[in-house]
Amino acid sequence: QQQVKQSPQSLIVQKGGISIINCAYENTAFDYFPWYQQFPGKGPALLIAIRPDVSEKKEGRFTISFNKSAKQFSLHIMDSQPGDSATYFCAASNQGGSEKLVFGKGTKLTVNP
Amino acid sequence: GAVVSQHPSRVICKSGTSVKIECRSLDFQATTMFWYRQFPKQSLMLMATSNEGSKATYEQGVEKDKFLINHASLTLSTLTVTSAHPEDSSFYICSASNHRDNTNYRPLHFGNGTRLTVT
Repeated sequence: QQQVKQSPQSLIVQKGGISIINCAYENTAFDYFPWYQQFPGKGPALLIAIRPDVSEKKEGRFTISFNKSAKQFSLHIMDSQPGDSATYFCAASNQGGSEKLVFGKGTKLTVNP
Repeated sequence: GAVVSQHPSRVICKSGTSVKIECRSLDFQATTMFWYRQFPKQSLMLMATSNEGSKATYEQGVEKDKFLINHASLTLSTLTVTSAHPEDSSFYICSASNHRDNTNYRPLHFGNGTRLTVT
């Protein structure tokens, strides 16, 4: 059973465009939803995270939108740049519990110049 | 801050030998560290939760006798792949959070991974 479903699997965007990656979860005990960026051969780097008590969080060009009733959250990358080309993972955990992160399958983003 | 260091970054070993991977939290203390495994172009799969001063907790399907975890201090956890075989070749990544972080949530920070190749 996949607890966090991520889509699309791959995404190609032109420079300056908006990249949107979606995730859905099933476990209502999840209370922490981070997004990670991973470059080839490197570990994931925390990009931005949100708690379910807010519907949106913005940090620079990156925004998380969160819909608690639908159990969905998404990452928006505004003004996408070639340097944003990487694999993005959504994740979820129950911080009040074990803190174990459950990851989505990842989205490979390619931003064309 | 919140740097997690992994060593080595790459290791090649012969089948049947053991390999130790170190995970250190450089500027914070971590009572809990997590070990993940990632196959090419796939997601991260949690292998085990490493608890300082106690036994690790392994995920279903992970052989604890094959993947030995030791968390002897608040800044160091080690993963030893025993009697490695080619199918153990993978990218192993550790993560940790700062247990002194009293914010609403404690972000997990990841090391840069260890690429293990078993020949």
